[in-house]
Amino acid sequence: AQSVTQLGSHVSVSEGALVLLRCNYSSSVPPYLFWYVQYPNQGLQLLLKYTTGATLVKGINGFEAEFKKSETSFHLTKPSAHMSDAAEYFCAVRVPGATNKLIFGTGTLLAVQP
Amino acid sequence: DVKVTQSSRYLVKRTGEKVFLECVQDMDHENMFWYRQDPGLGLRLIYFSYDVKMKEKGDIPEGYSVSREKKERFSLILESASTNQTSMYLCASRSGGNYGYTFGSGTRLTVV
Repeated sequence: AQSVTQLGSHVSVSEGALVLLRCNYSSSVPPYLFWYVQYPNQGLQLLLKYTTGATLVKGINGFEAEFKKSETSFHLTKPSAHMSDAAEYFCAVRVPGATNKLIFGTGTLLAVQP
Repeated sequence: DVKVTQSSRYLVKRTGEKVFLECVQDMDHENMFWYRQDPGLGLRLIYFSYDVKMKEKGDIPEGYSVSREKKERFSLILESASTNQTSMYLCASRSGGNYGYTFGSGTRLTVV
């Protein structure tokens, strides 16, 4: 069965500091992995996705994530945090099948301090 | 860009009322989904549909039903609203060849 674990429900960083949001997955088949961002009172927006090929994936707003099969991880990083990065971030894994439905983690709320 | 529109941003309903949450997408996507989002629990799948008039239960279907009479519209129905259904409801759609979802802005439902 597929599942996703996000370590740390709240992460706080200073503006300009490295952002690291952790995601570990469990999947019985080669996983497709996603990161979504949710700004206050909005829906979710796709940041980046890994399907096949290069394991380092670049997304929008300077974020990137690296698929590490040996560690079953897909951590999200950004070299320098900006105030506008404050949001909730969700990691998700695809469930194989006709609809490719997604299983989401419980989310990490990122706060950026001035 | 694909647009997923949820008809209401905020709703307040009374216990026992029948509630309809509407979702419309404009890109001819086959698959549509309803999630509810609660603090500390993330997003949980209520129902999904992979074609007109087709529906499948997700992880938490109890107390909900859905309707998909047209490809672009996917409705979530609370037959008799209860206070434990107070939540943020998110609709999403995706096409067959695209692994990512497009989400609506959400409907925050309060049942009093």
